[in-house]
Amino acid sequence: AQKVTQAQTEISVVEKEDVTLDCVYETRDTTYYLFWYKQPPSGELVFLIRRNSFDEQNEISGRYSWNFQKSTSSFNFTITASQVVDSAVYFCALNSNTGKLIFGQGTTLQVKP
Amino acid sequence: GAVVSQHPSRVICKSGTSVKIECRSLDFQATTMFWYRQFPKQSLMLMATSNEGSKATYEQGVEKDKFLINHASLTLSTLTVTSAHPEDSSFYICSARWGSLDDEQYFGPGTRLTVT
Repeated sequence: AQKVTQAQTEISVVEKEDVTLDCVYETRDTTYYLFWYKQPPSGELVFLIRRNSFDEQNEISGRYSWNFQKSTSSFNFTITASQVVDSAVYFCALNSNTGKLIFGQGTTLQVKP
Repeated sequence: GAVVSQHPSRVICKSGTSVKIECRSLDFQATTMFWYRQFPKQSLMLMATSNEGSKATYEQGVEKDKFLINHASLTLSTLTVTSAHPEDSSFYICSARWGSLDDEQYFGPGTRLTVT
């Protein structure tokens, strides 16, 4: 079975703090893709990153970084020096072998000034 | 980048009426389109997958006679909520993909449906 678990329902931090959003996935496929999306209050999903199962290199994009570890089936997302504009719901997703995206439950991040 | 639009962005309708939501891929041909529903403070749940020119495949528990999906062209898919009821009020999001199963999906901005 394919599954994505985001155990943190809500996280609240103060601006400039670092924050890590956890994502654990389950799949029997050897080839798969993992994604992170941001959903601000407007509702539109914003694509953040796509990572295939053969690329375990960590990635950094500005204040964002991702840690992919196949050994623990995790794909965690860290925001460094968080800002109020980072407040949103963040979804981790898995692209199954059927081509369907399976979303985690989402983590609501609130960054307070 | 690939752009997907949805129309309308918000719609309010009366119980018992039908409402149609359009999803368009603006700068690419979408061989596959997906429709998701998102209730407040919940995740996106896939409702159906549609391929151009063929019948949509619905996920378990989704009523195909209530949620009519038409993917008549490579750039347009429509979702019609028939005989809408207040419990159908939700945020509906479409996505489009142009190629193989592992190609990326591009998401529309969503349509907020309120049934009174």
